[in-house]
Amino acid sequence: DAKTTQPTSMDCAEGRAANLPCNHSTISGNEYVYWYRQIHSQGPQYIIHGLKNNETNEMASLIITEDRKSSTLILPHATLRDTAVYYCIVRSDNQGGKLIFGQGTELSVKP
Amino acid sequence: GAVVSQHPSWVICKSGTSVKIECRSLDFQATTMFWYRQFPKQSLMLMATSNEGSKATYEQGVEKDKFLINHASLTLSTLTVTSAHPEDSSFYICSGGLAGPYEQYFGPGTRLTVT
Repeated sequence: DAKTTQPTSMDCAEGRAANLPCNHSTISGNEYVYWYRQIHSQGPQYIIHGLKNNETNEMASLIITEDRKSSTLILPHATLRDTAVYYCIVRSDNQGGKLIFGQGTELSVKP
Repeated sequence: GAVVSQHPSWVICKSGTSVKIECRSLDFQATTMFWYRQFPKQSLMLMATSNEGSKATYEQGVEKDKFLINHASLTLSTLTVTSAHPEDSSFYICSGGLAGPYEQYFGPGTRLTVT
């Protein structure tokens, strides 16, 4: 699976959009980009995933660059409850489904 | 999203004893279940992959005789930490998923402390 690079930490003001970048320059054509988050002492929570096109759901938007070498997760109106570690993971669907977690980005949403 | 439960949520045991952790998919049938371990201030580390009715596949460096995994049905997988030692103290998390490019759903985790 391709490796991802994320900033170690980020701050965001409550009510503002949080934009979390992820670099995956070695991604293969059949690998999807997944985003999960982990609130302290809980199991990870699925946020969104995509292959080529931008995706949006009730939690977030995922913007994937045309060359697919990077992506950005957007939380449109961050709240204090969005404070968590956010993981960007690339995975192909022929890898048995396993997710390999990197270090992620620790997002702190401040009042 | 789908729900995965774990039991117990926390357990304290004495060194040398064995501990079993259950992982259940409550509203879907998980083709595959995964077990992760997480030490404080670190990321999740995949321990093993299990498919219903077959032997688990362990990641490199994970002792299969120490961490016994049973996946008896599409909704239940168990992890048994045998002869636990203090260094096995960790946060153990399971997840379940379906084949293909679908999301995995994670349990809330089990905090194991070995004294």
